[in-house]
Amino acid sequence: NAGVTQTPKFQVLKTGQSMTLQCAQDMNHNSMYWYRQDPGMGLRLIYYSASEGTTDKGEVPNGYNVSRLNKREFSLRLESAAPSQTSVYFCASSEGGDETQYFGPGTRLLVL
Amino acid sequence: GQSLEQPSEVTAVEGAIVQINCTYQTSGFYGLSWYQQHDGGAPTFLSYNALDGLEETGRFSSFLSRSDSYGYLLLQELQMKDSASYFCAVEAAGNKLTFGGGTRVLVKP
Repeated sequence: NAGVTQTPKFQVLKTGQSMTLQCAQDMNHNSMYWYRQDPGMGLRLIYYSASEGTTDKGEVPNGYNVSRLNKREFSLRLESAAPSQTSVYFCASSEGGDETQYFGPGTRLLVL
Repeated sequence: GQSLEQPSEVTAVEGAIVQINCTYQTSGFYGLSWYQQHDGGAPTFLSYNALDGLEETGRFSSFLSRSDSYGYLLLQELQMKDSASYFCAVEAAGNKLTFGGGTRVLVKP
């Protein structure tokens, strides 16, 4: 099992450009999450999806949109990137009743 | 809302014991988790406490006091590979996590 996979690993954008970060999990988990981590800080929840077809805002949702494409895939979209969105983005998944969240390797995004 | 406080950095020698404290304020509490993150890596789950008391998993133990809104992670018999950042995280409904700022542990020979 690959666990949680994310693409791309690295990305450089110019201010105003758009992009979609992809996340997939092969553990048949219902819940999926998107976090951002700024240097030297903890992770902050952007959006989460408790099950296929549902999404909800987390702590820092402004400037982002998400799509729970199916049970496996959860994508994060930046419509108009800003330098403040320079960060490392982590996707995670978990199964209801299990407190463990499994994280992907992260996407390092630089917005110039 | 949720807020968590933990020390920013701890340094210790191999074989020593390190305790990382975490205090939290929360409007809804299900449990306290601990994650480890090596530089450039992804967070990995270490432990979870929903009830008061001590949970032991090998060299690592975690403690929770719900009445004091306090927990700690105890790292015993420190090894060089334990050099990493450690995050406490409060769990709310829907398994949503709010993370602390992290404690960087540096293990010296």
